Amino acid sequence: DQQVKQNSPSLSVQEGRISILNCDYTNSMFDYFLWYKKYPAEGPTFLISISSIKDKNEDGRFTVFLNKSAKHLSLHIVPSQPGDSAVYFCAASASMNRDDKIIFGKGTRLHILP
Amino acid sequence: DVKVTQSSRYLVKRTGEKVFLECVQDMDHENMFWYRQDPGLGLRLIYFSYDVKMKEKGDIPEGYSVSREKKERFSLILESASTNQTSMYLCASSFQRVYGYTFGSGTRLTVV
Repeated sequence: DQQVKQNSPSLSVQEGRISILNCDYTNSMFDYFLWYKKYPAEGPTFLISISSIKDKNEDGRFTVFLNKSAKHLSLHIVPSQPGDSAVYFCAASASMNRDDKIIFGKGTRLHILP
Repeated sequence: DVKVTQSSRYLVKRTGEKVFLECVQDMDHENMFWYRQDPGLGLRLIYFSYDVKMKEKGDIPEGYSVSREKKERFSLILESASTNQTSMYLCASSFQRVYGYTFGSGTRLTVV
């Protein structure tokens, strides 16, 4: 049973426009959420995170929004650039439970079109 | 910045061979993980370790084993490589288990 779901395997966005990547989770114990970015033939790199005590976290062109009641988070990239073309993984953890691990979604491949 | 180093970027092995994938981290992290990434399946956890000499099975441990003799090194072993183990293998480490992992660059393994 997938606890972290990224329902869009791929997404294409025009350069300069906003990219919105969505993620849903089922475990109400999750209280820390992360986004990772992965280029082909490289390991994932940390992009941005958010704690459940917040509903928004911003870092430059990247903003993550958290809607706890809907168990939904989204990553906004504005404006989208060619270098943003990559696979994005949503991840979640229950930080109060020290035995837990980070749970990853299956990823969304973002294509930025010229 | 913590660095996680995987010994090989690309590897080609024959069916039935014993394969060792090495991972070393330089920040004294307690926790280390091995994942494989396949198209459409995302990141799947194979094995992890929260301490030296300690190991726990992840979601897909069949056909794999691990070794952690030293804190900085976590090895993944394919006992008898098969073609369905062709994949991208990713090692990760973390200071705390739930606050984010640092990944290595990955090893693209092809079993022929």
